[in-house]
Amino acid sequence: DTGVSQNPRHKITKRGQNVTFRCDPISEHNRLYWYRQTLGQGPEFLTYFQNEAQLEKSRLLSDRFSAERPKGSFSTLEIQRTEQGDSAMYLCASSLEWSGGYTFGSGTRLTVV
Amino acid sequence: AQSVTQLDSHVSVSEGTPVLLRCNYSSSYSPSLFWYVQHPNKGLQLLLKYTSAATLVKGINGFEAEFKKSETSFHLTKPSAHMSDAAEYFCVVSEANAGNMLTFGGGTRLMVKP
Repeated sequence: DTGVSQNPRHKITKRGQNVTFRCDPISEHNRLYWYRQTLGQGPEFLTYFQNEAQLEKSRLLSDRFSAERPKGSFSTLEIQRTEQGDSAMYLCASSLEWSGGYTFGSGTRLTVV
Repeated sequence: AQSVTQLDSHVSVSEGTPVLLRCNYSSSYSPSLFWYVQHPNKGLQLLLKYTSAATLVKGINGFEAEFKKSETSFHLTKPSAHMSDAAEYFCVVSEANAGNMLTFGGGTRLMVKP
């Protein structure tokens, strides 16, 4: 197992375009989390899944954001009609429900120009 | 609701001297507490975690932290700083009744002078 994998590592997009990121968690982990980190700040929670069910969404997750985990394995995070304020590092993490141990991926850095 | 306050945004120490990074938390239930480190252009790495066992927690690279419930603190220490310790450090709290969602502090940037 190579840990949590995120693709792409970097994405530059024009304002108004749609982007999609992918996260492949550790295979036996049933929980998957998305966080966003802006420059000079700590990561902020966006949403999490337990298996395929999306159990919680932050108010930071506007209608332009949608996340899926169709078969309880990998997850995608889509941002529609990107804005410059969406520029950030998007981090994915996975864990076993009861372990309290999280593994983070290296993140996808989004730049909206 | 859970929250974390890291009391110093920047800490500067000389190599070989002790490190103290301060963290206070707020939690409605029995929390789990973590310290993560983030080196420039690298991912978040877990240093140590407290999950209601021993209050003094030892982590990697010589770091340790003490959970003090009466003071709602979880300060990170290291006896002797190394140049490679220069990084951003995050104190993090989670609660089982909140889906183990992590709430991060604002971070402390540790600088180590030769």
